[in-house]
Amino acid sequence: EDQVTQSPEALRLQEGESSSLNCSYTVSGLRGLFWYRQDPGKGPEFLFTLYSAGEEKEKERLKATLTKKESFLHITAPKPEDSATYLCAVQFMDSSYKLIFGSGTRLLVRP
Amino acid sequence: GAVVSQHPSRVICKSGTSVKIECRSLDFQATTMFWYRQFPKQSLMLMATSNEGSKATYEQGVEKDKFLINHASLTLSTLTVTSAHPEDSSFYICSLSGVGSAYEQYFGPGTRLTVT
Repeated sequence: EDQVTQSPEALRLQEGESSSLNCSYTVSGLRGLFWYRQDPGKGPEFLFTLYSAGEEKEKERLKATLTKKESFLHITAPKPEDSATYLCAVQFMDSSYKLIFGSGTRLLVRP
Repeated sequence: GAVVSQHPSRVICKSGTSVKIECRSLDFQATTMFWYRQFPKQSLMLMATSNEGSKATYEQGVEKDKFLINHASLTLSTLTVTSAHPEDSSFYICSLSGVGSAYEQYFGPGTRLTVT
């Protein structure tokens, strides 16, 4: 069965304390892996798409990487405004284009 | 990215009534839109895929007669929750794909439905 698992469930960091979030997947026929940020009471905000193992993408303090079994979202020197839930999702190599989401990591960055 | 709006942002209705939620693409013509549901402290669960001019495709376990989806134009999809019950209270979010890469999805701000 196809699965997407994110860890940790919650993460508390001090401002400036770098860390990584993990998204592991068991999907046959992966087209792409997506990272989103979601603030409370709002829709997800698109961050990155990764399509092949070895690919990396960066945006400000965030860097996403992909292997054949997992993806990491590295947060360098986080700030309190980075506090949010980070969601990863996978898309199958079929015609549906639908996304299957993990349960998310709730990140809290303290000043 | 794409700009997606939803209306209303919040709605409270009585049990047994129907509620319509609109999802609009403000700057892109979307042939495909998606509807998700999110319960508190849980992740997004896909309900259905909405294709312009054709019937929606529902995920397993989602009642198509209860959650009516209409994608009448390239910029508008609607979700109607019929005969709503308290267990339908949730955060409903739409998304669209096809902007730039055909695979990326951009989400609306969501609609909080509370059924009393």
